Amino acid sequence: DAGVIQSPRHEVTEMGQEVTLRCKPISGHDYLFWYRQTMMRGLELLIYFNNNVPIDDSGMPEDRFSAKMPNASFSTLKIQPSEPRDSAVYFCASSSYSGTGNQPQHFGDGTRLSIL
Amino acid sequence: ILNVEQSPQSLHVQEGDSTNFTCSFPSSNFYALHWYRWETAKSPEALFVMTLNGDEKKKGRISATLNTKEGYSYLYIKGSQPEDSATYLCAFRTTDSWGKLQFGAGTQVVVTP
Repeated sequence: DAGVIQSPRHEVTEMGQEVTLRCKPISGHDYLFWYRQTMMRGLELLIYFNNNVPIDDSGMPEDRFSAKMPNASFSTLKIQPSEPRDSAVYFCASSSYSGTGNQPQHFGDGTRLSIL
Repeated sequence: ILNVEQSPQSLHVQEGDSTNFTCSFPSSNFYALHWYRWETAKSPEALFVMTLNGDEKKKGRISATLNTKEGYSYLYIKGSQPEDSATYLCAFRTTDSWGKLQFGAGTQVVVTP
């Protein structure tokens, strides 16, 4: 059973470039979450989707960040233009809340992003 | 601002000793409390999801309890081993959060041989 798949695992790029992070959730999961891990703020939620629809994007830092989920098996998080302060580990997670709502979130391995 | 507080922030445990630490959360609109284990350079891995006051869950040497009325959960590690070294995150969900979890900052556990 494949878990949440994120790509790339590592990304190093120069300031000002566009960065696209990708996520494939676990098949059958109807929630998808994008998190960012930083030393200062720990694990912070950026945006999440339910049935491909964005529910809460209040955690997105600014307009340079955007996320899409065109179908149930794929999501992207895009940063344009990127800045050094965007350097962090970005995690994607998925879950299935059916009925009781007591299902855990399953995390991908993360994308370590470095903006020079 | 985190509504979820975990204490202590870090602790060192001698191999073989038992330990426990706390997660505090708002007791109103409670829906579920999650515990995750997060090893360095890996991704968070779910340990427990608890929903009922008085719930107790166990997985090997790790167990957790839940008090929703007073808003806290304890995680216990019995007979700590070096492989238990990790950051332990708790997260809670409210009845109106549509699946969104609020994570604490974690308790970092270091088990020394």
